[in-house]
Amino acid sequence: EAGVAQSPRYKIIEKRQSVAFWCNPISGHATLYWYQQILGQGPKLLIQFQNNGVVDDSQLPKDRFSAERLKGVDSTLKIQPAKLEDSAVYLCASRRTPEYTEAFFGQGTRLTVV
Amino acid sequence: EDQVTQSPEALRLQEGESSSLNCSYTVSGLRGLFWYRQDPGKGPEFLFTLYSAGEEKEKERLKATLTKKESFLHITAPKPEDSATYLCAVQAYDSNSGYALNFGKGTSLLVTP
Repeated sequence: EAGVAQSPRYKIIEKRQSVAFWCNPISGHATLYWYQQILGQGPKLLIQFQNNGVVDDSQLPKDRFSAERLKGVDSTLKIQPAKLEDSAVYLCASRRTPEYTEAFFGQGTRLTVV
Repeated sequence: EDQVTQSPEALRLQEGESSSLNCSYTVSGLRGLFWYRQDPGKGPEFLFTLYSAGEEKEKERLKATLTKKESFLHITAPKPEDSATYLCAVQAYDSNSGYALNFGKGTSLLVTP
């Protein structure tokens, strides 16, 4: 079974530029999460999708972050404009159902904002 | 409001020296407590899920236990390859946030030969 795919692996941008991350979850997984992990800390939930609908985006900084899930499969997370404090690893995770199953994580995208 | 607190933040063990990592939580209506392992530069890797107090699960040198307020990850006779960050996550159901999976900050474990 293929895992969660994320791209790019690394990205360096200047502050105020925009950036997008892509996630392809495991086939058949209805639930998808985006997390932000700052160095030395645990993952912080940004947004949760169930199929192509948003379940929870209460921790997403909506003035600069946006996310969508196309046809309930692939997802993109965008930052516009980026700030220095957005430097982090952005992790995508998927699970077959929102309960009673484990979440599988991708390798993450390491973003550096300079 | 912190829902998940892990301790210690860092732990250094000699090979063969058993110890425990702690995860305390404050959510009501726990719908699952998850342990993950994270190696540098990689995404978290699933280890265990626990659903009810008294439940225990084992995998090789790792054993996870759950009470109503906390979970322990016991590491028996660790080896250097057990060095990693161990993350705890809790899941509760909320009508606004659904089945969110919220993580603690992790315990960084270093096992030396």
